[in-house]
This record gives sequence, structure tokens and C-alpha cells, in this order.
Amino acid sequence: NAGVTQTPKFRVLKTGQSMTLLCAQDMNHEYMYWYRQDPGMGLRLIHYSVGEGTTAKGEVPDGYNVSRLKKQNFLLGLESAAPSQTSVYFCASSYGTGLFSPLHFGNGTRLTVT
Amino acid sequence: SQQGEEDPQALSIQEGENATMNCSYKTSINNLQWYRQNSGRGLVHLILIRSNEREKHSGRLRVTLDTSKKSSSLLITASRAADTASYFCAISSNTGKLIFGQGTTLQVKP
Repeated sequence: NAGVTQTPKFRVLKTGQSMTLLCAQDMNHEYMYWYRQDPGMGLRLIHYSVGEGTTAKGEVPDGYNVSRLKKQNFLLGLESAAPSQTSVYFCASSYGTGLFSPLHFGNGTRLTVT
Repeated sequence: SQQGEEDPQALSIQEGENATMNCSYKTSINNLQWYRQNSGRGLVHLILIRSNEREKHSGRLRVTLDTSKKSSSLLITASRAADTASYFCAISSNTGKLIFGQGTTLQVKP
């Protein structure tokens, strides 16, 4: 039982490049989330999904796209990376909504955009 | 903002001492959750306290919730060097999404 696995762990991009961050969970959770963590800002929700085939915007969705084609996977895409997207990205999953269920986090992807 | 505000931002104590962290918020909540983050790792869930609860315990952790003051506290008793980490509160409102505070960085000196 690996929990929530994020790949890659580190990545350096040049401005304008694109990339996809992959999140996989093996807990059969319905809900999945992408957060970004910046110094002094805490964690901010980018996008989330309440089930396979669904996605929704969070607090800071601009510049990102997501897909949930399979229940166990949640992909975060950056189409044209900008230095402002330099951050640590965390994926999380939960059995139910935050109303009832704790979140399980991956160990993060550290992204630098130069 | 729904975001929890944590106090203090940083805390340094000696091993064996108690550590108290506070979280204040502005909106009504369904529950409040506390998470720990070790350096370079993801967040780990510690405790969930519902809006109709006033206190919960888990091992050396004690969480209180005062909805009239819109505040919560996390107490770690008999701290250990391994408790060194950042601690975050997260607010769950009717939207079902969790909104995280900025965290308290705790250093426990051996």
C-alpha cells in the first residue's frame, strides 16, 4: 500500500515549457486534490476532483489544467510555465469530502521555472 | 478569508516541554483539522475535531475548539526532538474543501 505517489520529485523548466505532474493513489479514494505550497502562503488549492471524469477549480487555478481519466490518477498540467509557478506541488486524496475525511498527501514535486 | 491564521509562526522549546499552537478563523466551520509536515515531506493528518466537539486527544496531542471565539489550539505534551516539524490547521466549511493556514514551525531541541 503505497498511499499517494507523485512523480517526478523534482523538475526544472524554462519559461514557456510545458509539463505534466502525475499523482497516483491506491486507496480507492473518490476525491483528489492539487495544492501548491509557497513560503509564507501555506497551501493553496489549485484544482480538485470529486470522482473519475470530474474536475473543478480551486483557489488558484489559472495557468493549470487537470484531468482525472482514471479514478486512481490525477494529472496536473502546465501548458506554458511561468516563474510564478515555481513552487512545491502536493497531491492529496480523501475517501470523502473535507467535511468528514482527512486528506492523505504525497511527498510533493519541487518545480523551478527559470 | 476562510483561511486559518496560526500563532505563533515559529516556536522553539526544549525536549520534554509542552508546545501550544493556536489557530483562528473567520467563518463558520464543519470541522477543523491539524496536520504535521516534516521537512521535505507531505502533510500527515493528526486530528479532526468537529464543530460540535470541544476537545479531542490522541496520544500526546490534545486539540481544543472554541467556536464562539473561532479558535482552536494544538497542545503537544512532553515534546520530543522527533516532533520538530511544521504544523498546519485546516478549515472545512460547507464547501467541503479544506483551507490551510500558513503553519507554525516547531523546533524541539534535544
